[in-house]
This record gives sequence, structure tokens and C-alpha cells, in this order.
Amino acid sequence: GAGVSQSPRYKVAKRGQDVALRCDPISGHVSLFWYQQALGQGPEFLTYFQNEAQLDKSGLPSDRFFAERPEGSVSTLKIQRTQQEDSAVYLCASSLVVAGGPETQYFGPGTRLLVL
Amino acid sequence: TQLLEQSPQFLSIQEGENLTVYCNSSSVFSSLQWYRQEPGEGPVLLVTVVTGGEVKKLKRLTFQFGDARKDSSLHITAAQPGDTGLYLCAGEPSGTYKYIFGTGTRLKVLA
Repeated sequence: GAGVSQSPRYKVAKRGQDVALRCDPISGHVSLFWYQQALGQGPEFLTYFQNEAQLDKSGLPSDRFFAERPEGSVSTLKIQRTQQEDSAVYLCASSLVVAGGPETQYFGPGTRLLVL
Repeated sequence: TQLLEQSPQFLSIQEGENLTVYCNSSSVFSSLQWYRQEPGEGPVLLVTVVTGGEVKKLKRLTFQFGDARKDSSLHITAAQPGDTGLYLCAGEPSGTYKYIFGTGTRLKVLA
């Protein structure tokens, strides 16, 4: 039983570069969340998918951030023209059921992004 | 903006001591979760509380949800070095599916 995996685990980008972060959720999980975690802080919600539908992207900080889950499984978070303030750990979480009540979110190990 | 404030922010204690971590908000939550996160890993769910006043125990950890469902506490009895980590509370505002995470409490238990 594989858990949630994310790749790459570490990414160093020069300011202005585009990056793509991948999340492989647990097979069969309906819900997928992306979070951003700054150093020493709790995760902050970015976006939510129910299967392939992006139902909420209210947490994306700017239009440079884009997420997709085209087949309802793997998801990619893309950041265009990276800025230093984008440096953070990006966490992906999946859960078995449709969100809307107490459920268990299973988190991946995160991708640590450093923008120089 | 709904905020979850945790206190203390940092805690360093000796093995065997007891401690309590608090999670406070002015907002009502339909459920609240506690997670522990270790360096280089994602948060791992410890418990979910749903009912105001609810108390749940997980070995040496006791979790309580406030009567008004605005706050919660985590009490650890006889802390061990393996309890070291970042403890996060996360509240689910009523009628939503998004969990709002707290500011975190970094615990270090010294042997």
C-alpha cells in the first residue's frame, strides 16, 4: 500500500523559471488538496480537486500558480515565473471520500522549493 | 479570516514531563484535527474530534474539543523523545471542506 508520493522532493529554481511539482495520490482517492507550508508555519490551503474537477482554487496566491488533475489521479502544480516568496514546502494530500465532513487526509512528504 | 492560534510556539522539556498544547480561535469549527509532522515528512493525522466537549485518548495523548467548538487542547503525559515533532491543529469551518491549519507547536523532548 503505497502512500502519497511527490516529486521532486527538492527543487532549486532561479527567479523567473517555471516549475512543475507532481503529486501521486493514493489509488482510488477522490479528493486531492495542495497546501503551501512556509518555514515554521502550518500548511495553507491552495486548491482542491474532486476527481478531475478543480472545485476550489481560492488559495492560489496569484495567477502564476496553476494546478491540474486531468484524469482524476495524478496532479501537477505549476508555478510560472517563480519569485523568491514562492520558496516553501508544497504538500499534497488525498482522501478517499468527497470532502465535506471529517475525513482523513493522507499527506505526501512534500516538495521543498527554493527560489534563488 | 479564520485563524487558529497555537500556544506555546516552542516547547523543550525533559523526558517524563507532562505538557499541554493549546489551539484557539474565535471561529466555530464543525470538526478539529490534530497532526504531528516530523522533519522532511508530511503531517500525520493523530485524531479528529467532532462534538463539543469531546475527549479522546490515544495512549499517552489526550485531546479535548472545547464546548463551544472554538478551541482544543492536546495533553501529553510522561513525554518521550519519540514525541518530538511539530504539532498542528486544523479546524474545519462549518459548511466547508477546507481545513484551516494552526500556527504549530514545535516540541522537543530531551532524553
